[in-house]
Amino acid sequence: SQTIHQWPATLVQPVGSPLSLECTVEGTSNPNLYWYRQAAGRGLQLLFYSVGIGQISSEVPQNLSASRPQDRQFILSSKKLLLSDSGFYLCAWSDSNNQPQHFGDGTRLSIL
Amino acid sequence: QKEVEQNSGPLSVPEGAIASLNCTYSDRVSQSFFWYRQYSGKSPELIMSIYSNGDKEDGRFTAQLNKASQYVSLLIRDSQPSDSATYLCAVARSGYSTLTFGKGTMLLVSP
Repeated sequence: SQTIHQWPATLVQPVGSPLSLECTVEGTSNPNLYWYRQAAGRGLQLLFYSVGIGQISSEVPQNLSASRPQDRQFILSSKKLLLSDSGFYLCAWSDSNNQPQHFGDGTRLSIL
Repeated sequence: QKEVEQNSGPLSVPEGAIASLNCTYSDRVSQSFFWYRQYSGKSPELIMSIYSNGDKEDGRFTAQLNKASQYVSLLIRDSQPSDSATYLCAVARSGYSTLTFGKGTMLLVSP
């Protein structure tokens, strides 16, 4: 069966520090991969998605970036974090278009 | 802009009652519809998928889809306090790799 791993579970970072969040999927090949952010009490905001290695689509211009160095690995990065980057970051995968997405456990990021 | 609308709630129901959650969408070419449950502080969990008009039942959950009226609903029978969560509706459009999520409806089931 397929599983998704996302780490760390919580992270506290100072303003201006870099960020790297990693997500890996097991048990499937060539999945669609997604990064979302959810602010407290708010809906899901799609940040990036990827339909293949090296293919990244950005939904929201900001100081974050994403990369997909391997088929089942998706990385979210920032060179300098802002206070507004705080939130609950979720990675998700799906088999293909029109199929449901399955979420990882998320990373709760606090910026001080 | 293609949207998915949900009443934010909270929807309060007593234990044992039927909870009815509704979702409307604006894009007529939407093909696939999903319901997720999200407990406070946790990630969304897929509970139902529905792809064609009519009803789909899974245990205490029934998803209903009406493409002509552009709405999808989720019924929870015999509601339990453990069903208290935010329920997200998500819609997939033909040819797109992404889902459009509603902002969710909070359900509170009181003992």
